[in-house]
Amino acid sequence: DVLMTQTPVSLPVSLGGQVSISCRSSQSLVHSDGNTYLHWYLQKPGQSPQLLIYRVSNRFSGVPDRFSGSGSGTDFTLKISRVEPEDLGVYYCLQSTHFPLTFGSGTKLEIK
Amino acid sequence: EVQLVETGGGLVQPGKSLKLTCATSGFTFSNAWMHWVRQSPEKQLEWVAQIKAKSNNYATYYAESVKGRFTISRDDSKSSVYLQMNSLKEEDTAIYYCTWLLWYWGQGVMVTVSS
Repeated sequence: DVLMTQTPVSLPVSLGGQVSISCRSSQSLVHSDGNTYLHWYLQKPGQSPQLLIYRVSNRFSGVPDRFSGSGSGTDFTLKISRVEPEDLGVYYCLQSTHFPLTFGSGTKLEIK
Repeated sequence: EVQLVETGGGLVQPGKSLKLTCATSGFTFSNAWMHWVRQSPEKQLEWVAQIKAKSNNYATYYAESVKGRFTISRDDSKSSVYLQMNSLKEEDTAIYYCTWLLWYWGQGVMVTVSS
């Protein structure tokens, strides 16, 4: 199985600040079709995960441009700028290039 | 508006069975690839199963941890996807989510396996 190593586990941030979350995979996430199926989710307290970024760098419908994704191969980053209260929660990365699909263990974004 | 609503969860004894239903609306279900994902009490997310569309011969895929015990199926006439869970173990205790394409997720349903 592809191991997804997500860091840090906890990320204190000041409102209005900028943060980065890293997700590294144990093998390349480039699919045979040429796409890289690495996605980012936010799970707010008491809610189901919501898609933020799909295929590395594409913002999902309604996601503000404060969120951006980058990376390639095995190394990926989610950046959040001008952090707002609604951004707090747990962030997960997911790879769907290889079966079984695997998630990172999560990064909790909290107020400093 | 896309909606996915899971039902069928509850408390069940080890070794017993349970069937989850995910009723959907707001998109063309017959073309949709559907997944079940679960979240343990420790908050770890785990992909469980996928079923593709009729055009893909309803191909199914499973996590090793549930293979042979769980069965994913669908009824396109009802825009619903199902998860039949047999021989349940305590480690199957989790919130179960159905998702369309891993883009849209339901609110989840709790399954507790305990004696």
